[in-house]
Amino acid sequence: GAGVSQSPRYKVAKRGQDVALRCDPISGHVSLFWYQQALGQGPEFLTYFQNEAQLDKSGLPSDRFFAERPEGSVSTLKIQRTQQEDSAVYLCASSGFRTGVETQYFGPGTRLLVL
Amino acid sequence: TQLLEQSPQFLSIQEGENLTVYCNSSSVFSSLQWYRQEPGEGPVLLVTVVTGGEVKKLKRLTFQFGDARKDSSLHITAAQPGDTGLYLCAGVVNFGNEKLTFGTGTRLTIIP
Repeated sequence: GAGVSQSPRYKVAKRGQDVALRCDPISGHVSLFWYQQALGQGPEFLTYFQNEAQLDKSGLPSDRFFAERPEGSVSTLKIQRTQQEDSAVYLCASSGFRTGVETQYFGPGTRLLVL
Repeated sequence: TQLLEQSPQFLSIQEGENLTVYCNSSSVFSSLQWYRQEPGEGPVLLVTVVTGGEVKKLKRLTFQFGDARKDSSLHITAAQPGDTGLYLCAGVVNFGNEKLTFGTGTRLTIIP
């Protein structure tokens, strides 16, 4: 497809379950970002990849959050032992260049609800 | 922790009126972007400003970057119902690290 896609679009998990969220960036895009957006708030940065290298993971809220991009394209955000405070929309974005002010193209997000 | 504060948080005005949304920070940004987000979708870029004092116009929307690169504003002239949405400012702190720091958001509703 032409844009960033994310799956699943909606996920309901019981507290304590593990979840995996997938992001398919725009083909050829070097940089990939994950953001977390709580209801009614602006997105907050989680982590950033350049190709397969995770260059910044300073926004991951705890060691229960883990992200990977093993082949430099598709990325997975994994949350272990989910808690209610993990309920949010998880946005993925990709951009085409290594550095500079480049447009980030966002996917539609995965809405996670932890019960 | 969000470094960018937007005001107002909510704004509801009649079609045809003008409005301004503000984005303020105590931090300096190498660039600042404005996005609009519709329900169930990701943010979509409207504009990027890079130079202090820069003004950009996009049809009825005017964006300004503060001289000190710490603040920005978005002005909409003759608002239309299609302008309804969540407006987000976002800044890049360090040139070379593209991660965005988003503002708290302004939810705009234009009443026909």
